[in-house]
Amino acid sequence: GQNIDQPTEMTATEGAIVQINCTYQTSGFNGLFWYQQHAGEAPTFLSYNVLDGLEEKGRFSSFLSRSKGYSYLLLKELQMKDSASYLCAVKDSNYQLIWGAGTKLIIKP
Amino acid sequence: IAGITQAPTSQILAAGRRMTLRCTQDMRHNAMYWYRQDLGLGLRLIHYSNTAGTTGKGEVPDGYSVSRANTDDFPLTLASAVPSQTSVYFCASSVTSDPGNTIYFGEGSWLTVV
Repeated sequence: GQNIDQPTEMTATEGAIVQINCTYQTSGFNGLFWYQQHAGEAPTFLSYNVLDGLEEKGRFSSFLSRSKGYSYLLLKELQMKDSASYLCAVKDSNYQLIWGAGTKLIIKP
Repeated sequence: IAGITQAPTSQILAAGRRMTLRCTQDMRHNAMYWYRQDLGLGLRLIHYSNTAGTTGKGEVPDGYSVSRANTDDFPLTLASAVPSQTSVYFCASSVTSDPGNTIYFGEGSWLTVV
């Protein structure tokens, strides 16, 4: 079966750095997405990786290793507004997105 | 800026009733999707449409139906609601279904079946 694994919950301190990991086993691979979802709101797009390596976008970076079935989202200079759930999703061989359950990130002052 | 509009925002529905969740997008996206999101589970695809006039089944299609008469609208119908259909429903769209195209989400419809 297809599976996306990410930690259920993480806690970090304001101003610090946090890395949220995602491992996947899917039938084919056509890219990996990270989305942010604040409580009670819709998911919003953060990043897309299709080739191995690091993609940097401001305070957020996303890394992909296709051979290891692994990605991480790195958040720097954490702010209270970064408290949210972070969703990892992989597009499989049928171009369908398979979603992880999300990682709830709690930021403490 | 509208993007994707869903209605209703929330609804309490008696079991056995028929319900249609409406979704309209103004971005002229070809592909549209309906997901449900339940606590502890990832978003699960119910139905999708790659272009107007076509629809397909996702991971959890049973008990749901969709139609795509035009580019903008993609309603989701629960023919006879059951309590297990209590969930948050997100309508989404992308330019096409090709890899790399960002999926944009509506604000969600909170449905409680009692």
